[in-house]
Amino acid sequence: DVKVTQSSRYLVKRTGEKVFLECVQDMDHENMFWYRQDPGLGLRLIYFSYDVKMKEKGDIPEGYSVSREKKERFSLILESASTNQTSMYLCASSNPGTGGRTEAFFGQGTRLTVV
Amino acid sequence: AQSVSQHNHHVILSEAASLELGCNYSYGGTVNLFWYVQYPGQHLQLLLKYFSGDPLVKGIKGFEAEFIKSKFSFNLRKPSVQWSDTAEYFCAVIVYSSASKIIFGSGTRLSIRP
Repeated sequence: DVKVTQSSRYLVKRTGEKVFLECVQDMDHENMFWYRQDPGLGLRLIYFSYDVKMKEKGDIPEGYSVSREKKERFSLILESASTNQTSMYLCASSNPGTGGRTEAFFGQGTRLTVV
Repeated sequence: AQSVSQHNHHVILSEAASLELGCNYSYGGTVNLFWYVQYPGQHLQLLLKYFSGDPLVKGIKGFEAEFIKSKFSFNLRKPSVQWSDTAEYFCAVIVYSSASKIIFGSGTRLSIRP
């Protein structure tokens, strides 16, 4: 079974702190993604990575950065946490597939609260 | 930009009722379509997917979806729901040209009355 593991289920951080969310996958997938999930808004893509050290902005990258130094690990960084970044963060991984014929596997999510 | 629309935000049904959740996408080219489900407290998991071929696809737990290209739709159906189907359901699309980027709809929360 594919396993995508996020380092924390719950986090509480203070405004202005630098926050690291970690994600590890064990299936040698090339693609990794960070989404945030908010009620009524679904999943919105923050960043994705299609190879080590390669990244692309998603739909809502402002206030976030990412790091992918190793294939299995994809980190999301909140440079200076703000209360509007309180959310559920989901990590996912997949292989590219041919013509996009693939599926993504998700971690359990990290519920981040910024106070 | 590509987008996915789920018009039902919250659906409440009684057990044994039939279910249909709507999903429309905005892209004229080749797409790959998915429904994911998130049970309370659990991670997202794949319910079913459509890549090509028979437009009626069957997934796990008795769910099915029909791809209607002319309507840009991929609606999810189940003939008789159970209390255990209470969950949030997300429609998603991968556009052929972008290969990897998965775009999700806003989700539909399904509540089943026992």
